[in-house]
Amino acid sequence: AQRVTQPEKLLSVFKGAPVELKCNYSYSGSPELFWYVQYSRQRLQLLLRHISRESIKGFTADLNKGETSFHLKKPFAQEEDSAMYYCALSLSGGSNYKLTFGKGTLLTVNP
Amino acid sequence: NAGVTQTPKFQVLKTGQSMTLQCAQDMNHNSMYWYRQDPGMGLRLIYYSASEGTTDKGEVPNGYNVSRLNKREFSLRLESAAPSQTSVYFCASAWDRNTEAFFGQGTRLTVV
Repeated sequence: AQRVTQPEKLLSVFKGAPVELKCNYSYSGSPELFWYVQYSRQRLQLLLRHISRESIKGFTADLNKGETSFHLKKPFAQEEDSAMYYCALSLSGGSNYKLTFGKGTLLTVNP
Repeated sequence: NAGVTQTPKFQVLKTGQSMTLQCAQDMNHNSMYWYRQDPGMGLRLIYYSASEGTTDKGEVPNGYNVSRLNKREFSLRLESAAPSQTSVYFCASAWDRNTEAFFGQGTRLTVV
């Protein structure tokens, strides 16, 4: 069965420090991986996805199939990055597919 | 654009009562989802619908039923609410597995 693991429930860093939110997955096929973010009192929204290989708000994430990881990184954290971050895995079986989330990591960036 | 709209935003139920959470999307998406969000548990998939006319169980389907009424609407029903179903419920929709899922604003449900 597919699984997404985010080992850290809480992560606290100071402004300007590098940040890395870890995500590991288990899936035997070719995964589609995403990072979603939920700011306080806002809807869950897409931050980035691995197929687009883009950098959003200074965040990047690289899919490492050998280590089955998709860690989210930012070299210099900002206070406005404080939020709940979810790693998600999309998989398909025939014409169906579903989106599975990890338990989330609450990032706090201190001034 | 309305995106994904959920109703109601808040609801308090007594144990044993029933209710239906409504979800509608105006983006012509094929897939729709219902999740519950609990502290320390993240988002857990209750049911999903890959296309109109199909529904499948997710991780935590017990105590819930769903209806994909048409392409736009996907409702979640609690037949006999229990305190363990106190949670925040999110509806989401997506075009396909490679594209962004859009979420509703959530329904905060309390069962007393």
